Amino acid sequence: QQQVKQSPQSLIVQKGGISIINCAYENTAFDYFPWYQQFPGKGPALLIAIRPDVSEKKEGRFTISFNKSAKQFSLHIMDSQPGDSATYFCAASTRRAGGTSYGKLTFGQGTILTVHP
Amino acid sequence: GAVVSQHPSWVICKSGTSVKIECRSLDFQATTMFWYRQFPKQSLMLMATSNEGSKATYEQGVEKDKFLINHASLTLSTLTVTSAHPEDSSFYICSARIWRWTSGATLSHEQYFGPGTRLTVT
Repeated sequence: QQQVKQSPQSLIVQKGGISIINCAYENTAFDYFPWYQQFPGKGPALLIAIRPDVSEKKEGRFTISFNKSAKQFSLHIMDSQPGDSATYFCAASTRRAGGTSYGKLTFGQGTILTVHP
Repeated sequence: GAVVSQHPSWVICKSGTSVKIECRSLDFQATTMFWYRQFPKQSLMLMATSNEGSKATYEQGVEKDKFLINHASLTLSTLTVTSAHPEDSSFYICSARIWRWTSGATLSHEQYFGPGTRLTVT
């Protein structure tokens, strides 16, 4: 119930295209859903995050879509650029105090994005 | 803001020796830091939660006597890999939790990650 399932495992997109990465979760106690971007040999960087009280959040070329009833959320990268080539991780956590999972991030398996010029 | 540093960025040590990795929050205080381990082309695995002034909480399957965590101040947590063996070779990443006020006067928190430490045990 703690898992977050991420797909696809890898994704190849042409420059200017749209990259879409999907995640699904089971634990209904999750109420915070961040996306992280990681370049080889570096730590993950927080990209964008959403709470379940909204269905969409946009920051620049990055958009999170959230479907609470389906327990799914996705990252859309518009106008994908070669510099976006990285591994993307979705994650989920609960912000309600108490319990052993409070504040801990559960990560998806990661998606290796390659944007061809 | 919300910068987390790690030192060293990479380290090579001989089997049987101990290695200490530092995690610092540079521009904020962090009562809670987290330590992760990441194998090549895999996701991050939470090892333990480090709380300032108290004992760390380890995830199931993580040997607390092998991975010693100390969170002595609000800006520094350390992970010591004791009696390291080649199977401990991995990418170790820390994160620090920061609290923020969001719209609607809600106190929320986010995790910011350090750049990671590559440990190779020969």
